[in-house]
Order: sequence, then C-alpha cells, then structure tokens
Amino acid sequence: GAVVSQHPSRVICKSGTSVKIECRSLDFQATTMFWYRQFPKQSLMLMATSNEGSKATYEQGVEKDKFLINHASLTLSTLTVTSAHPEDSSFYICSAVGTDTQYFGPGTRLTVL
Amino acid sequence: GQQLNQSPQSMFIQEGEDVSMNCTSSSIFNTWLWYKQDPGEGPVLLIALYKAGELTSNGRLTAQFGITRKDSFLNISASIPSDVGIYFCAASFSGGATNKLIFGTGTLLAVQP
Repeated sequence: GAVVSQHPSRVICKSGTSVKIECRSLDFQATTMFWYRQFPKQSLMLMATSNEGSKATYEQGVEKDKFLINHASLTLSTLTVTSAHPEDSSFYICSAVGTDTQYFGPGTRLTVL
Repeated sequence: GQQLNQSPQSMFIQEGEDVSMNCTSSSIFNTWLWYKQDPGEGPVLLIALYKAGELTSNGRLTAQFGITRKDSFLNISASIPSDVGIYFCAASFSGGATNKLIFGTGTLLAVQP
C-alpha cells in the first residue's frame, strides 16, 4: 500500500522556538495533503489543507501565521510551528491524498518545554 | 471543530467476544470511514463506505452506512488480542475519502486474552 512518512517522529523544543515537520508521500504523488492535530486521548482535528503550488487553506480557529504550511513538491509538505508554546504540544499527523483515499503518516510528537 | 459522536467511549472484553460500536451525527455525510489507531501511530483505514445502506466486510470486521446518512456502525467478530487499539469513525461531506474528514471521538478497545 501507499506509504507516507513524517520527520521527525518526536521533537522536544524550548518555548519560543520554531519547529518544522515534514510529510512525504514515498511512492505516489499527492497534490493535496492534510494536517491534523491530536491532543492526548482526543480525536484528530483537521488543521489545514495543503495544496501543491498554492496557499494552504486553514480550518476555523487555526492561526495561519503560527502554523506555516509549504507544499513545495508533489511529494512533500511541511508544517512549521512558529514561536511554539507549551499549549502547542500535541501529536501532529499528516495525510496524503492518493487515487481514492488519503494515507496517514505515523505522526510527530511535539513537546514544547 | 465539529466532531462525530462515537460510542461507547471504551470497551473491555474477553478474547472471542464480538464488539459493536457506532457513530452518529446531526449532519448528513456522503462517505463514512472506520480507522484503527495504535498508540503513537497514525490511523489505518479499515473500511470505507460510500453509499447509504451499504454493508461492507473486511475479514472479521463489518461496517454499515446508515440509511439516513447520519450514522454508521462497526462490528468486530471473534475479537483477538491484536484488535486492541482506538477505533475512529470519520466522515466526509464531499463524496470519497480524498476530501476533508471529520473524526469521531474514538472507542478504546481492550481485549483480555
């Protein structure tokens, strides 16, 4: 089946720093990728839709200036959490859209101290 | 953000028992999906449903797309220890699993050998 990778799998950073998370579709091209956030013991919440070659579209309540998304190629989307704070600590999961479904990455655990 | 109401919240069963969980919403959806998530991993698609009334099986798993398009259920027969995990329903307004998904609140399944 289709494979989606995320890097890093875990990251710990100090408050105020920026963190970049990569999402790659390894064996297919994805013009659309989605970014989700999952707090402990909660469900996945869609943050934004990443479209190759155009600006990302953000869900209501998600700050676009804080969560920067760049879909630079058909196999790579990046999410940068700028000026991270402890409340941004969460599990960030991307998905890449294939022919008939979206494939989820393994997630990135972000801890902001 | 919007979520789907999923029940039960958790289940603790003996190996060999059957399991049933469901998902409801006040909105109509055109696609219902069921995912399984292991700790620290992204969700993995189990079953996709595209038509109201559709009943689909995948091994010991059976899921149905409610006639009203506002609900779906998932049954697992003869549970085994590796069924342990969190099960999420997800739904999409636009047809297909390639669009934005809204996730349910999750059902934690524990199976006692």
